[in-house]
Amino acid sequence: NAGVTQTPKFRILKIGQSMTLQCTQDMNHNYMYWYRQDPGMGLKLIYYSVGAGITDKGEVPNGYNVSRSTTEDFPLRLELAAPSQTSVYFCASRSGTGGIGELFFGEGSRLTVL
Amino acid sequence: AQSVTQLGSHVSVSEGALVLLRCNYSSSVPPYLFWYVQYPNQGLQLLLKYTTGATLVKGINGFEAEFKKSETSFHLTKPSAHMSDAAEYFCAVSDTGGGNKLTFGTGTQLKVEL
Repeated sequence: NAGVTQTPKFRILKIGQSMTLQCTQDMNHNYMYWYRQDPGMGLKLIYYSVGAGITDKGEVPNGYNVSRSTTEDFPLRLELAAPSQTSVYFCASRSGTGGIGELFFGEGSRLTVL
Repeated sequence: AQSVTQLGSHVSVSEGALVLLRCNYSSSVPPYLFWYVQYPNQGLQLLLKYTTGATLVKGINGFEAEFKKSETSFHLTKPSAHMSDAAEYFCAVSDTGGGNKLTFGTGTQLKVEL
């Protein structure tokens, strides 16, 4: 059971380039989330999804886009990368049943924009 | 909107000493509260959670937390620190609206010294 899998683990981008961070979960979870983590700032929610075909903005969505065509996949798209998007990105998922359940996190994707 | 404040970005204890990590929350509705731990270069893992019922919550690795409504606090404790407890700890509060989003504190780095 792989849980939440993120790729790539590391990436360096030039300013203005675009890329997609991939996230896949094999737990049949309805809820999926993208967070970014910056030193001393905790985790900030970028986008989330409550099921296939449904996405919504979190606290810091500017410069990002998401899609949710299947239950398993929740890719995060960075358009026109900027140095401010240098961060560690975490994808997480949880079941939508049984109340407020545990969030399962991927191992993170470290992105540097130069 | 919910928020979480973690007092002390860095805490240092001796091995065998009491661990106390502080968390205060702000919420307009009865909160769901969580503690997560992050080891270096890994995603976050759930330590424990409070939803309803007993206010003293026990988690993994000997940690526990007490929900005190009158103090709006959810401090994390462990009677005797171990070297393996060195990690970053995050307190979080859950949104009970659409998406049940978690809002994280800025984290407390725990150092355990011999």
